[in-house]
Amino acid sequence: AQSVTQLDSHVSVSEGTPVLLRCNYSSSYSPSLFWYVQHPNKGLQLLLKYTSAATLVKGINGFEAEFKKSETSFHLTKPSAHMSDAAEYFCVVSPFGSARQLTFGSGTQLTVLP
Amino acid sequence: EAGVTQFPSHSVIEKGQTVTLRCDPISGHDNLYWYRRVMGKEIKFLLHFVKESKQDESGMPNNRFLAERTGGTYSTLKVQPAELEDSGVYFCASSQVGLAGTGELFFGEGSRLTVL
Repeated sequence: AQSVTQLDSHVSVSEGTPVLLRCNYSSSYSPSLFWYVQHPNKGLQLLLKYTSAATLVKGINGFEAEFKKSETSFHLTKPSAHMSDAAEYFCVVSPFGSARQLTFGSGTQLTVLP
Repeated sequence: EAGVTQFPSHSVIEKGQTVTLRCDPISGHDNLYWYRRVMGKEIKFLLHFVKESKQDESGMPNNRFLAERTGGTYSTLKVQPAELEDSGVYFCASSQVGLAGTGELFFGEGSRLTVL
């Protein structure tokens, strides 16, 4: 069994300040972990993924996430928020190496204030 | 290269009516998935095709939902008869066979279904 908990449903930051979106997971298997982003009226886009290689994963648009097995966390960060980062972010888990279905977190809505 | 396309983008129907959603995956992608997000809830898996075969349909909510993938190309998801609780956004995603295990799915923009 696997599950994902996104600890904040809404996060608001000022432009130019750091972003932290928190995610904890539970998995009976060695997991693959992902962050997807959905901008308004757009499809879900893969930001980054962890698949048992380096624990610090770099993604697109300056985002990165660190896999911490001891804390069962996979938090998403960005040093400096941009207005275009405003979107909904999803933390996702799947069993590593499996084609089985993805399990999504409930999503975090990121607002970036000017 | 065209991405995953879904049609219609928004459908409004009355309870008891039928709706068919269509998904065109990225060309060459053998894996096709349907997911659904009911208002205020998580995005949930519905089913997975490999080419024209249903690999996993454990997420289908009940027998009012019927998914097909003719010839292993586009897929349709029919809801008949629709109920109020079927309202939500239906996402389609596709991936190449070799990447299926890594979860690199390419998603469409979703079809929003509103049942009145």
